[in-house]
Amino acid sequence: GDSVVQTEGQVLPSEGDSLIVNCSYETTQYPSLFWYVQYPGEGPQLHLKAMKANDKGRNKGFEAMYRKETTSFHLEKDSVQESDSAVYFCALSETSLGSSASKIIFGSGTRLSIRP
Amino acid sequence: GAVVSQHPSWVICKSGTSVKIECRSLDFQATTMFWYRQFPKQSLMLMATSNEGSKATYEQGVEKDKFLINHASLTLSTLTVTSAHPEDSSFYICSATQGGNSPLHFGNGTRLTVT
Repeated sequence: GDSVVQTEGQVLPSEGDSLIVNCSYETTQYPSLFWYVQYPGEGPQLHLKAMKANDKGRNKGFEAMYRKETTSFHLEKDSVQESDSAVYFCALSETSLGSSASKIIFGSGTRLSIRP
Repeated sequence: GAVVSQHPSWVICKSGTSVKIECRSLDFQATTMFWYRQFPKQSLMLMATSNEGSKATYEQGVEKDKFLINHASLTLSTLTVTSAHPEDSSFYICSATQGGNSPLHFGNGTRLTVT
């Protein structure tokens, strides 16, 4: 089945540093790609998305480019802030059998902890 | 915006008892709801897909007789953990969508602790 791989379990940049959080995926379909953010004790929230190849998702200074040739969707930001600290999940949509809705497959998550 | 509400937000129960978790879509009709389970510092693992008015589709390795899912209306799905054991302690999260390309909205989760 489809899968999403996040290689970093935790990243610890300082405030003002640039950021790249890696995400790669495997699929035989044409999924949409997402980054979700999760704060302690809460469910995940959609952070940004890209629906097809070469689309770029953007939100709050974060960007991610849907790259089909490298099967990647890395999350980037030029200058991180302390308020960006959270757990970030890369995810893709996969067609769900017997349903018109697509299910979301999550990566393992990357904890972003910004040092002041 | 669309809101998905889960209740309770946390529950403590004794081993052997059953616990019901509710997931409601507050301002839209959810044709499909998904149930996830998350262990501390780990990812969300899909347990099952629930379509209104039909039986849930369970992911491989998820016991359907232990995790009973009911989606009787377009705004409510329930997950019942039957005969709970300490290893069932986890964070359970639901999500809901109107289907097709509509966005997926997540609830705030239910933390279950089985003693």
